[in-house]
Amino acid sequence: NTKITQSPRYLILGRANKSLECEQHLGHNAMYWYKQSAEKPPELMFLYNLKQLIRNETVPSRFIPECPDSSKLLLHISAVDPEDSAVYFCASSHGTANSDYTFGSGTRLLVI
Amino acid sequence: GEQVEQRPPHLSVREGDSAVITCTYTDPNSYYFFWYKQEPGASLQLLMKVFSSTEINEGQGFTVLLNKKDKRLSLNLTAAHPGDSAAYFCAVGASSSFSKLVFGQGTSLSVVP
Repeated sequence: NTKITQSPRYLILGRANKSLECEQHLGHNAMYWYKQSAEKPPELMFLYNLKQLIRNETVPSRFIPECPDSSKLLLHISAVDPEDSAVYFCASSHGTANSDYTFGSGTRLLVI
Repeated sequence: GEQVEQRPPHLSVREGDSAVITCTYTDPNSYYFFWYKQEPGASLQLLMKVFSSTEINEGQGFTVLLNKKDKRLSLNLTAAHPGDSAAYFCAVGASSSFSKLVFGQGTSLSVVP
């Protein structure tokens, strides 16, 4: 999926700090971070629209999002916990939260 | 808030048989309905979105039925083949701006030859 790219694809961490990156080439205004734990559905973490943080679900404070411009989204993680092991998907949509979503390929985070 | 229940959690069918996955939701303001397919280790692929009431939508090899009166959304794979083996998720959203999309718990479908 070259329309919305995420890096890295795989990440193995001890109690370190790392940032996940996402960039969309679709001209969408809204961008999201979702967390998908094993055998679970995706759950919304953060929603940005036009670089403004619109929704911040109940997420531990060690997760800090950043939207440097409307096509890029970052997720800074500090002092990860084993419960953070999951796939983190970036998504984007043209307008409001329930327009067509395009999901990125995900970053698979394993905390050891 | 919205709650979405998806059944069954696991489904195994023979090649050529039909497979039906159903979601029920609680919020009467729900307006957007989606079905996603997720193959192992892959991202979510949009199969279909529906907006209208009691609508039947046909895709390639599947039919989606939405009954807003009963708050029920279903996906019917009409003649399943092994390539349909994947996890399937329904997702529901309200019409208000920036309301979040709520996903069902998923159905793991296995199509055996």
